[in-house]
Amino acid sequence: AQTVTQSQPEMSVQEAETVTLSCTYDTSENNYYLFWYKQPPSRQMILVIRQEAYKQQNATENRFSVNFQKAAKSFSLKISDSQLGDTAMYFCASSTSGTYKYIFGTGTRLKVLA
Amino acid sequence: DVKVTQSSRYLVKRTGEKVFLECVQDMDHENMFWYRQDPGLGLRLIYFSYDVKMKEKGDIPEGYSVSREKKERFSLILESASTNQTSMYLCASITGTPNTEAFFGQGTRLTVV
Repeated sequence: AQTVTQSQPEMSVQEAETVTLSCTYDTSENNYYLFWYKQPPSRQMILVIRQEAYKQQNATENRFSVNFQKAAKSFSLKISDSQLGDTAMYFCASSTSGTYKYIFGTGTRLKVLA
Repeated sequence: DVKVTQSSRYLVKRTGEKVFLECVQDMDHENMFWYRQDPGLGLRLIYFSYDVKMKEKGDIPEGYSVSREKKERFSLILESASTNQTSMYLCASITGTPNTEAFFGQGTRLTVV
């Protein structure tokens, strides 16, 4: 079975500070891919960052980076220099080359405080 | 600019009605998905399709069916709407490779009264 778990329903961070959102996953596939998506109040889902499981190097996109721990099946998102526009729901997701199923976690609501 | 369009942003239907939610993508993507989003439950996969006329059940298919007659269009059907199907419905599409970005529609907030 393919599952994604986010254990932090809500988080808050002061503007300009750093915050880490947690995600754990489980899959029986060897080839899989992990993603973080952002859903702002406008409801439009936006890809933040992606990681291929076969790559050991952690993905980075500007202020966003991941800590991918394959053995622990952990995939956390770090947001540096948080901005008010980062306020949103963040979803962790996985897909596999075997089934093409794209599975999401329950989300973490992040609030950036001025 | 890539686009996934859902036919309605807000919809109110009566219990027992047959409801159609339409999704159209203009990116020639093979794979399309329907999710429902509920507070505390995240996005749950209802059905997905990897080709025209092909469909696979997701994690919560009960009470729903789908139709994919053309590559660009993926319809979600509530055969007899019930109040527990009140939710936000999101459509998404991706290319034929699973490591690519999913593109989402703007969502349909369905209320069944």
